[in-house]
Amino acid sequence: DGGITQSPKYLFRKEGQNVTLSCEQNLNHDAMYWYRQDPGQGLRLIYYSQIVNDFQKGDIAEGYSVSREKKESFPLTVTSAQKNPTAFYLCASSELQRPTGELFFGEGSRLTVL
Amino acid sequence: LAKTTQPISMDSYEGQEVNITCSHNNIATNDYITWYQQFPSQGPRFIIQGYKTKVTNEVASLFIPADRKSSTLSLPRVSLSDTAVYYCLVGVSVDSNYQLIWGAGTKLIIKP
Repeated sequence: DGGITQSPKYLFRKEGQNVTLSCEQNLNHDAMYWYRQDPGQGLRLIYYSQIVNDFQKGDIAEGYSVSREKKESFPLTVTSAQKNPTAFYLCASSELQRPTGELFFGEGSRLTVL
Repeated sequence: LAKTTQPISMDSYEGQEVNITCSHNNIATNDYITWYQQFPSQGPRFIIQGYKTKVTNEVASLFIPADRKSSTLSLPRVSLSDTAVYYCLVGVSVDSNYQLIWGAGTKLIIKP
């Protein structure tokens, strides 16, 4: 079935460690996004990419990094520079970034810093 | 500052019609208005999308006035399983930069 797969679903990290969250899509979508969601809050954009080998910072990019080496993959690294990384992370994709098409979301990855 | 505004929470009862309104003053001229539903610990799921006037699908209707500065999601005959958070999403052009702007979400609680 077509869709977006995020892994791992749950991840625990010690302070000072970098972690990478995986996001893979088989929808042949050009645009991919990473969002952060804190308890009871809305979605905040971390990074987005409209094409392979290109990506742009969102509203809260500090302490995060991404790559887009393949169309179907958009991994997110949470670095030790991110001061408060405990959150629910959501990856999404769409056919185009503009105009807004339907965004397809993964099931999310919940990161907890110990 | 581009933003969307929607009520923080709403309550209703099974079988009632629920209307949730989102205001979006800076929507881009050629962009759509999209609504999503999210259950706890899951990714948001697409409900409905429209550009103007009225759109209806099997689960909801979307009403958009002529000026497109707001939209209303209408859920007919809600059930307990409609308890979720509902988000509106629009594209906004600010100083030649295009952004996707999410509302803060409306927590809908359906009571028996």
